[in-house]
Amino acid sequence: DSGVTQTPKHLITATGQRVTLRCSPRSGDLSVYWYQQSLDQGLQFLIQYYNGEERAKGNILERFSAQQFPDLHSELNLSSLELGDSALYFCASSVDGQGGGYTFGSGTRLTVV
Amino acid sequence: GQNIDQPTEMTATEGAIVQINCTYQTSGFNGLFWYQQHAGEAPTFLSYNVLDGLEEKGRFSSFLSRSKGYSYLLLKELQMKDSASYLCVAGAGSYQLTFGKGTKLSVIP
Repeated sequence: DSGVTQTPKHLITATGQRVTLRCSPRSGDLSVYWYQQSLDQGLQFLIQYYNGEERAKGNILERFSAQQFPDLHSELNLSSLELGDSALYFCASSVDGQGGGYTFGSGTRLTVV
Repeated sequence: GQNIDQPTEMTATEGAIVQINCTYQTSGFNGLFWYQQHAGEAPTFLSYNVLDGLEEKGRFSSFLSRSKGYSYLLLKELQMKDSASYLCVAGAGSYQLTFGKGTKLSVIP
């Protein structure tokens, strides 16, 4: 157990739907990162939050949004889902958000049918 | 821009040594990480180099040359459980990690 908790582990939904992925960072970590990993692709950085505020944005679609709550857990919202959104979505956390090595959760596997 | 190159696949024999190379072009570079990822699982941290040279940690060692934009991960005494993808990751700026697509290592008996 890495200490980073992601739920759900698996999610199957239809095109056009909306889903919410949840991440609880490791105790003491203030920064949360979201990554998307499509089949046989590298990890693509989506967005970072630090202590409740958005710090950096990567290749995140406008249909996707995220937030970090006062208790530091984070949610990634994916709407108007398309088949191409099927992927593993990883959350990672770090103490200071300064780009140091960080700890990943076990991921949520999203399948859009 | 950010660019990382590493071989797509490698095969090595149990008990042998394998070296996985990585070249990177990253503005604002501040360190090089290696992660291991088993299929369908989360990446796990292996090593971090910020200065030139070799860092050794058990069976795994990592090398960095900042002037050449080059790193390698050396795995010794290969075990079957080492079959996984190895991700070369460049750190830049104050927050960003750029992940390579990974090298899929297959360890054969």
